[in-house]
Amino acid sequence: QQQVKQSPQSLIVQKGGISIINCAYENTAFDYFPWYQQFPGKGPALLIAIRPDVSEKKEGRFTISFNKSAKQFSLHIMDSQPGDSATYFCAATSGSARQLTFGSGTQLTVLP
Amino acid sequence: GAGVSQSPSNKVTEKGKDVELRCDPISGHTALYWYRQSLGQGLEFLIYFQGNSAPDKSGLPSDRFSAERTGGSVSTLTIQRTQQEDSAVYLCASSLVSGMGETQYFGPGTRLLVL
Repeated sequence: QQQVKQSPQSLIVQKGGISIINCAYENTAFDYFPWYQQFPGKGPALLIAIRPDVSEKKEGRFTISFNKSAKQFSLHIMDSQPGDSATYFCAATSGSARQLTFGSGTQLTVLP
Repeated sequence: GAGVSQSPSNKVTEKGKDVELRCDPISGHTALYWYRQSLGQGLEFLIYFQGNSAPDKSGLPSDRFSAERTGGSVSTLTIQRTQQEDSAVYLCASSLVSGMGETQYFGPGTRLLVL
């Protein structure tokens, strides 16, 4: 059962362009939605996160848009840079344990 | 400061052997998580510790998998009678507490290959 669906699987963007990654969830109990960035050979690192009581959160070049009624959220990377090339995972948590339920990941390549 | 560390970084074993994977969380972090990342797939939750207790073992894929945590710090994930489908990257994460908004900090993972 895939509770968080992520698309696209891979994305190629030119330097300076906008990267957009989308996720949809099924479990309405999810109450926290982080995005993680993972470089090859490294563990995932928190990039930005949002709670469902807000529709948008921006940190530098990274923005999360959240649509609670549609059960969808997305990551926008503005002015994409080659250093942003990595795998991005959306995730969601709920309950007392707070274990992360991850999307399947998006491999982003930013061309110089 | 020191992050989450895991050892070994790589492990090659033969089918049927037992393996132990170690996680050293960030000092003072009470919550500890194990995840598995299979090739080309996302991360799959395995088990969660709050202190030394594991209230949620639902993610363990079979009874060949077990984990323990001692002294509220180091955790060991043990896989008995390894199978080829166990080949994956095993990631450990810790957070200060188990609560909404608490960041989980991941280690670099142990890459397990079962021949």
